[in-house]
Amino acid sequence: DAKTTQPNSMESNEEEPVHLPCNHSTISGTDYIHWYRQLPSQGPEYVIHGLTSNVNNRMASLAIAEDRKSSTLILHRATLRDAAVYYCIPTIAPGNTPLVFGKGTRLSVIA
Amino acid sequence: DAGITQSPRHKVTETGTPVTLRCHQTENHRYMYWYRQDPGHGLRLIHYSYGVKDTDKGEVSDGYSVSRSKTEDFLLTLESATSSQTSVYFCAISARRQGAGYGYTFGSGTRLTVV
Repeated sequence: DAKTTQPNSMESNEEEPVHLPCNHSTISGTDYIHWYRQLPSQGPEYVIHGLTSNVNNRMASLAIAEDRKSSTLILHRATLRDAAVYYCIPTIAPGNTPLVFGKGTRLSVIA
Repeated sequence: DAGITQSPRHKVTETGTPVTLRCHQTENHRYMYWYRQDPGHGLRLIHYSYGVKDTDKGEVSDGYSVSRSKTEDFLLTLESATSSQTSVYFCAISARRQGAGYGYTFGSGTRLTVV
């Protein structure tokens, strides 16, 4: 499994954009980059995933570096509901391989 | 998202007793997973299943067994509970997302306390 490095914690003001970085320098060419988040007292939930190109969905955007050794999850306008632990997870394919979780980044949002 | 429910939501049990946690899904997905989450360790994979009667071990499988006799149910059993198995247990399924490959959906968790 590719090793990931994420900041332990980050803080953002409400309605400001948030950029959550992830380094995955050992990622293989076939690994997808998944992002999940875990709200307090809940199970993790899917946020977004990508392979090489930047990706957008209703929750967030994912910017992937050209060398694929890092990626950034972008929340365009943080809300209090976005306070959670965010996990960056490289995995072989967006299929049925078990996800391997690291420690993630705890995002705090200040009103 | 696929319906996935875990039961019970909370349980307190005594050391040495057997405990079974249930994960139930409503949409016939093939792959199911059990994780535990402890402070300082994050989520760790216990066992997973890739079909009826097909299971495999994860990172922290010692002291746990699983069974999948039908597609919709994945059971996690602690044969003889120990205090080190006090944890929050999450079940997950992986399912194809519309236009986005596969995604994993997690249950709400079971908080187990072994006293």
